[in-house]
Amino acid sequence: DTGVSQDPRHKITKRGQNVTFRCDPISEHNRLYWYRQTLGQGPEFLTYFQNEAQLEKSRLLSDRFSAERPKGSFSTLEIQRTEQGDSAMYLCASSLGDRNTDTQYFGPGTRLTVL
Amino acid sequence: LAKTTQPISMDSYEGQEVNITCSHNNIATNDYITWYQQFPSQGPRFIIQGYKTKVTNEVASLFIPADRKSSTLSLPRVSLSDTAVYYCLVGDSLNTGGFKTIFGAGTRLFVKA
Repeated sequence: DTGVSQDPRHKITKRGQNVTFRCDPISEHNRLYWYRQTLGQGPEFLTYFQNEAQLEKSRLLSDRFSAERPKGSFSTLEIQRTEQGDSAMYLCASSLGDRNTDTQYFGPGTRLTVL
Repeated sequence: LAKTTQPISMDSYEGQEVNITCSHNNIATNDYITWYQQFPSQGPRFIIQGYKTKVTNEVASLFIPADRKSSTLSLPRVSLSDTAVYYCLVGDSLNTGGFKTIFGAGTRLFVKA
């Protein structure tokens, strides 16, 4: 079990640039989640995939954000035309997908800084 | 949505037992209660999960009363390395079958020597 991995761990970009983050879930997990976390706050749900299907998106996910999970394996989160308010830790989690328990395993996160 | 309320912060000393209580008055019949631990610059880590009564693992115990409107995470004999933020979550099952996990601000536990 290699755990959930995320790449890159840190990203510094200038306002207006596009960025893309990658998440590799635990191999047998069919659910994948993206969260955003700012300093002093708990993670905020952004979106969720069941295999390759994106089944839920938070209202926090503006049109500048898009997530994909081709083939139901790794996932990417892209932010277009970044703004300073996008600076945060972006966390990915995966789970086996039991309806009631759904224990999520988190990756180390990607810290985004928008200058 | 099942919202949780927990203390913002707690202090303790090494070797003491720490109990963190979480309120979740609107918990749904099928919801489980899950606790996560988070260290700075890391993703949250699963600690324990339960539905009712008591659950114990090698790390912690979780006490859930019969009405399930609250739960208490118990950490036995804490050490300095237990200093972290602890989140109480109640699973909000989406119609799609997944979880729209709602994290609160968590409880910041500070263990002193």
